[in-house]
Amino acid sequence: NAGVTQTPKFRVLKTGQSMTLLCAQDMNHEYMYWYRQDPGMGLRLIHYSVGEGTTAKGEVPDGYNVSRLKKQNFLLGLESAAPSQTSVYFCASRDGQGGYFGPGTRLTVT
Amino acid sequence: RKEVEQDPGPFNVPEGATVAFNCTYSNSASQSFFWYRQDCRKEPKLLMSVYSSGNEDGRFTAQLNRASQYISLLIRDSKLSDSATYLCVVTPTGTASKLTFGTGTRLQVTL
Repeated sequence: NAGVTQTPKFRVLKTGQSMTLLCAQDMNHEYMYWYRQDPGMGLRLIHYSVGEGTTAKGEVPDGYNVSRLKKQNFLLGLESAAPSQTSVYFCASRDGQGGYFGPGTRLTVT
Repeated sequence: RKEVEQDPGPFNVPEGATVAFNCTYSNSASQSFFWYRQDCRKEPKLLMSVYSSGNEDGRFTAQLNRASQYISLLIRDSKLSDSATYLCVVTPTGTASKLTFGTGTRLQVTL
């Protein structure tokens, strides 16, 4: 099992560009999450999903959109990137217990 | 008030020492509790779940005190490899699918 994988690992965007981050899990988990982590801020929940076809807003959803068309995939989109979205993005999935994280995507917006 | 609060540390301890971290949560009806470990520039990894009865995994012991709304993590016989940031995680009632993280407590174990 690969667990949770994220692509890409690194990305540099210019302000106003768009991109999609892909998260995939092979553990058949219902719940999936997108977090961002900034120095001194801890992990903040952007959006999450409780199952295929469902999404919900987390703590900091503005500027992001998500889709969960397939159970194993959870996509995070940035329609018009801003420097404030420079961060490390982590995807996670979980069953009834704790969650398992992907290795992260380091995004820089210039 | 933050939903989950932790002392950011750092806790600097010598190898072999016992160290304890506490974490407080604000939602008295929270359902599930976990400790995660995060190494620098890496993803968080699940360390252990926390139960009211307490649970132990080798040198690590986790406790939950619902009355006082805190959870604790005790590390005995600290190793250099225990140096990391330890994250407290709570699943609030009513939003059972969400994982809410504390900002973490940094531990540095030295020779």
